[in-house]
Amino acid sequence: GQNIDQPTEMTATEGAIVQINCTYQTSGFNGLFWYQQHAGEAPTFLSYNVLDGLEEKGRFSSFLSRSKGYSYLLLKELQMKDSASYLCAVRDGPVYSSASKIIFGSGTRLSIRP
Amino acid sequence: KAGVTQTPRYLIKTRGQQVTLSCSPISGHRSVSWYQQTPGQGLQFLFEYFSETQRNKGNFPGRFSGRQFSNSRSEMNVSTLELGDSALYLCASSFSPSGANTDTQYFGPGTRLTVL
Repeated sequence: GQNIDQPTEMTATEGAIVQINCTYQTSGFNGLFWYQQHAGEAPTFLSYNVLDGLEEKGRFSSFLSRSKGYSYLLLKELQMKDSASYLCAVRDGPVYSSASKIIFGSGTRLSIRP
Repeated sequence: KAGVTQTPRYLIKTRGQQVTLSCSPISGHRSVSWYQQTPGQGLQFLFEYFSETQRNKGNFPGRFSGRQFSNSRSEMNVSTLELGDSALYLCASSFSPSGANTDTQYFGPGTRLTVL
């Protein structure tokens, strides 16, 4: 079956660093997305990885290992506004395939304490 | 450029009724996907439309249907509502210039449906 696992909740301290892990088992793989969702709001795009390695974008970085079915989102210099849910999502089908769809994990609720 | 818009934002219905939700994608975006989000199940894929055709479908009953118009606007319909249909329904659009569905999706604010 298709499965995406990520921790349900995490807590971190303002100014610190936190790593949110995601493991996936899908029938195919054509990229992994990270989204941020504040309570009561829509998800917003953070990052996209399709090749192995680290993608850095300001305070946020995302890593992918396709052989291990593993990704992580790294948040540095945490701010109170980073308190949100972080969703890991995988596109399971090949490029240009009408059969491909995006499968979301249940999300990790990150709480930042002062 | 305006973002994805969804109407209505909130809706209260009773069991057995039907409901139609609307989504206007970002200008130039041709792909529209619909998701159901509940606290217990997270984000669940409903279906995706591209050029007025349903390109992919999730594992939802036939009571859930949708369509896309020539201007890329999309609607989804839920008939014979059940209590379990109470959820946030999110629409997401992507550019998908050649039909390749690899592009990043941008979400609308959602329609919160409550079924009593």
